[in-house]
Amino acid sequence: EAQVTQNPRYLITVTGKKLTVTCSQNMNHEYMSWYRQDPGLGLRQIYYSMNVEVTDKGDVPEGYKVSRKEKRNFPLILESPSPNQTSLYFCASSADGRAYNEQFFGPGTRLTVL
Amino acid sequence: RKEVEQDPGPFNVPEGATVAFNCTYSNSASQSFFWYRQDCRKEPKLLMSVYSSGNEDGRFTAQLNRASQYISLLIRDSKLSDSATYLCVVNLDRGSTLGRLYFGRGTQLTVWP
Repeated sequence: EAQVTQNPRYLITVTGKKLTVTCSQNMNHEYMSWYRQDPGLGLRQIYYSMNVEVTDKGDVPEGYKVSRKEKRNFPLILESPSPNQTSLYFCASSADGRAYNEQFFGPGTRLTVL
Repeated sequence: RKEVEQDPGPFNVPEGATVAFNCTYSNSASQSFFWYRQDCRKEPKLLMSVYSSGNEDGRFTAQLNRASQYISLLIRDSKLSDSATYLCVVNLDRGSTLGRLYFGRGTQLTVWP
């Protein structure tokens, strides 16, 4: 089944403890992206990647890192999480970076930083 | 000013009603436009892309007005299953790639029997 998977789905952690949220797609997609969704603010793009080893900042990259060493994986790294990073995170992928391509979203990761 | 603005609603309409949502965007160089649908606590899913000439998919019609920098979504003959949050999505970068994408805050629709 073609899909985008994220792990973990739920995570409660403490301030300063490094964590990684994994994202993997099995559709051989070139474009991948991370978003966070907060009440009243909607979805905001954190980072995106047009292909392997090509990443760019989105609207709210501060406090996050990403890497794209393989086409299928696009992990989101929080080196020192803070409470303001408590949010619902979505990973998405698209066949390539062409303007009208559909994005396929993962199921989301709900992160709480205490 | 937010790059993409939507009326958050909520819109509460009876089954069979016609409802329209609008979305404005800030960058006249934007190249691609979409409407996504998000059910409660679920991931967003593409409803339809919005092309310059406007496009229709069954009961859904999307329009783009570049001069006024807004896009619209019209839903005819509303169904209970249309209840969801509708997200306006715009590529605000110059060029023909997905690049950076901006989402509106979403418009909540509830269709009642």
